[in-house]
Amino acid sequence: QQQVKQSPQSLIVQKGGISIINCAYENTAFDYFPWYQQFPGKGPALLIAIRPDVSEKKEGRFTISFNKSAKQFSLHIMDSQPGDSATYFCAASYTGGFKTIFGAGTRLFVKA
Amino acid sequence: KAGVTQTPRYLIKTRGQQVTLSCSPISGHRSVSWYQQTPGQGLQFLFEYFSETQRNKGNFPGRFSGRQFSNSRSEMNVSTLELGDSALYLCASSSGPQMDTQYFGPGTRLTVL
Repeated sequence: QQQVKQSPQSLIVQKGGISIINCAYENTAFDYFPWYQQFPGKGPALLIAIRPDVSEKKEGRFTISFNKSAKQFSLHIMDSQPGDSATYFCAASYTGGFKTIFGAGTRLFVKA
Repeated sequence: KAGVTQTPRYLIKTRGQQVTLSCSPISGHRSVSWYQQTPGQGLQFLFEYFSETQRNKGNFPGRFSGRQFSNSRSEMNVSTLELGDSALYLCASSSGPQMDTQYFGPGTRLTVL
């Protein structure tokens, strides 16, 4: 119930391609879905986040697609660049829960 | 504004010892959360504090404890260290009571020998 399942574990994409990472959740009480980006030796940094009242949110090359009925959400990185090579985590939390559940992470490598 | 700071950055301890890690949140942030990050388990929630009160706790043994001070700085303590406690311990702070946007520190790398 509290899990967030993330796939794939790792991803290799050519420069300029689209990177897609998927997450699924069970707890319908979740109402905040952020994505974090983590580079080696650094803490995760918030990339983009969405709430269930919208189906898509775009910020620059990063887009979250959200499917409430399927309880799934995904991160799309358009025009992927070598500098995007990092580990990406999806996460979920709910108002009053005071706790964030993270997916297992996806290691993205963008080939130049 | 300065980011979240964690001290020390690296720590080596032996089994059975105890350790205290420190976290200073972004100025004005009152919510502090702690996470354990390992290659096998990913990011696991430890506990969250807001205005010196623990509001939630993850599924960790009682050897893991924490506290928050009136200036929002937080510490976590691990007693009777085990080899499996080796991990990156991350602290995150949020400005509001709902801890939506969390800002992470660089972490403390703990190695237990």
